[in-house]
Amino acid sequence: DSGVTQTPKHLITATGQRVTLRCSPRSGDLSVYWYQQSLDQGLQFLIQYYNGEERAKGNILERFSAQQFPDLHSELNLSSLELGDSALYFCASEDRTNTGELFFGEGSRLTVL
Amino acid sequence: DQQVKQNSPSLSVQEGRISILNCDYTNSMFDYFLWYKKYPAEGPTFLISISSIKDKNEDGRFTVFLNKSAKHLSLHIVPSQPGDSAVYFCAASAGNTDKLIFGTGTRLQVFP
Repeated sequence: DSGVTQTPKHLITATGQRVTLRCSPRSGDLSVYWYQQSLDQGLQFLIQYYNGEERAKGNILERFSAQQFPDLHSELNLSSLELGDSALYFCASEDRTNTGELFFGEGSRLTVL
Repeated sequence: DQQVKQNSPSLSVQEGRISILNCDYTNSMFDYFLWYKKYPAEGPTFLISISSIKDKNEDGRFTVFLNKSAKHLSLHIVPSQPGDSAVYFCAASAGNTDKLIFGTGTRLQVFP
């Protein structure tokens, strides 16, 4: 158990819909990262938050947005969903001593039909 | 542009033998490298790391080698065990507080 909690574990929805994925980092960790893993793809970095502030942005689509709340949990919002958005979405928190090691949640599997 | 590349999508090794997983990178600013292991239905877990000031780091059966001039790193697992069967991701960052860029992964299968 990494200590990072993601909900929901599985989500099936239709094209054009909007979903919200939730992540609770490990206790004390201030950084939250979101990654997307599509079929046969590596982990694509989407966005990073640190203590409520956006710190880095990767290949995140404009239809996607995220935020980190004062209690440090984070949400990834995916809107106007397309078939190609079907993927595993991982959240990770960073060791508070900034060793660079990330602790990943089990992921949220999104299926868009 | 894939800055971290794992050109072998899969590798099959007999139990007890050495497994060698390779990773290449293009960004010369990368100075911190990590390997993650991922089992099905689980998130990736940290395995071993190396900073650019070293060319080798060892942890039990796992050793990571870094060749900066070739922009290449490799993970050696000796001896390989069936429980090592998983997908291995190479990752890199420019500074240990920068975002990690992952490769596409190599699926290792260790057979008896």
